[in-house]
Amino acid sequence: ELKVEQNPLFLSMQEGKNYTIYCNYSTTSDRLYWYRQDPGKSLESLFVLLSNGAVKQEGRLMASLDTKARLSTLHITAAVHDLSATYFCAVSLNTNAGKSTFGDGTTLTVKP
Amino acid sequence: NAGVTQTPKFQVLKTGQSMTLQCAQDMNHNSMYWYRQDPGMGLRLIYYSASEGTTDKGEVPNGYNVSRLNKREFSLRLESAAPSQTSVYFCASSEAPQNTEAFFGQGTRLTVV
Repeated sequence: ELKVEQNPLFLSMQEGKNYTIYCNYSTTSDRLYWYRQDPGKSLESLFVLLSNGAVKQEGRLMASLDTKARLSTLHITAAVHDLSATYFCAVSLNTNAGKSTFGDGTTLTVKP
Repeated sequence: NAGVTQTPKFQVLKTGQSMTLQCAQDMNHNSMYWYRQDPGMGLRLIYYSASEGTTDKGEVPNGYNVSRLNKREFSLRLESAAPSQTSVYFCASSEAPQNTEAFFGQGTRLTVV
C-alpha cells in the first residue's frame, strides 16, 4: 500500500524567509504532483514531476523529485503572504494522474 | 472556461437519505475521479473511471456508487447517508496516459445529520 507523508504539517514563516516542505513516499514511483489549496477552495495544480532529478520552478516555489530516495521537496524562497495556503503532494503509480495517494498537506502561514 | 463543474455546492442530508452528486468536465478528458476530504487530511479516492464505460473502486468506496454517464459526466451516489460521510467531495478529471495533472472541481460540502 502506497503511503505518502508530508512534513511539517504546519508551518509558520516570516515574510522574506526560506523554507522547505518534504514529501516522502513508500513505493517506487516517478509521478509526483504538488497542489495548492486555499481555505474553502478547490485544489490547483502547481507542479508535475515525472522523472528522477526533475526540478521545476514557478515564482518563489521550486519543486524537485528524487525517485531513489522516494522524496520530493517544495522549496519556498523569500516567502510572501500570498503563499499562505495548504500544499499537498500526491503520488501516482500509473498514468492516471487523478488516481493518486495524497499526503495530509502542509498548512503554510506567512506572517508579515 | 468551466473546467470541472460540480453540483450542488452545499447539501445537508438526514441519516438514511440518498442523494447524487453530479460532476461534468468540458476538457474531453478520458479519466474522472471522486475524492473525499476530511478536516486536516489529504484527499482519499472513492471511485474512479479510467475511461467511458469503466469504473473502479478507490481507497474508500464503501457506502458509495458511481455512474460514468458519458465521457463528460461522472456521478457519485450515496444510497443511505451516514454521519461518517460528512465531508467535502471533489470531482476531478485528467488526460491519461499523458501524465498531466488532475483538474479539480470546486467541491461539494456535504453534512449528514
